[in-house]
Amino acid sequence: GQQLNQSPQSMFIQEGEDVSMNCTSSSIFNTWLWYKQDPGEGPVLLIALYKAGELTSNGRLTAQFGITRKDSFLNISASIPSDVGIYFCAGQTSGGSYIPTFGRGTSLIVHP
Amino acid sequence: NAGVTQTPKFQVLKTGQSMTLQCAQDMNHEYMSWYRQDPGMGLRLIHYSVGAGITDQGEVPNGYNVSRSTTEDFPLRLLSAAPSQTSVYFCASSETSFAGELFFGEGSRLTVL
Repeated sequence: GQQLNQSPQSMFIQEGEDVSMNCTSSSIFNTWLWYKQDPGEGPVLLIALYKAGELTSNGRLTAQFGITRKDSFLNISASIPSDVGIYFCAGQTSGGSYIPTFGRGTSLIVHP
Repeated sequence: NAGVTQTPKFQVLKTGQSMTLQCAQDMNHEYMSWYRQDPGMGLRLIHYSVGAGITDQGEVPNGYNVSRSTTEDFPLRLLSAAPSQTSVYFCASSETSFAGELFFGEGSRLTVL
């Protein structure tokens, strides 16, 4: 099956720092999605990307759809304590079952 | 707006017991799915449904059954619980199977002793 490698697995940062995480795949995806899971909650969609090279922002979050269509990046600027949680990438192809494939998540801890 | 509702939120079972995790959505979504989340393993797909009357297996279907008799409901059944099924379970839905924008429930934490 398709594999998504998400890194880093965890991050411990100080409030105010910028954060970068990424996902890479051995397969081409037509859609990349980034979700955030707050502690004790279900994941919530942050950003959806539909076109290779696309750069999309949502407040302090910026995500990019890699040119090769095999990777995606999420950046968080000026982190704050409420950024704590697990961030998941997911990729989706246009063929087959369209079932999204999830990365294993990046756990972010922000120290005040 | 209720979105995706899962019940129960917490459950403790003994090995061999059966139970059903309920999932309901009020968004008229065609696509519904069940995931389990274990530490370090991310979200693994158990079963999914692209519409009423249609279900299919995901990555880790063994030990679980599903049915989709209505658009709104997608229950997950554990026929004979095992300690390996201790996990947090999430139900998710999207407008169609083509849309990757999933809406997740709040999760059901299951412990099997």
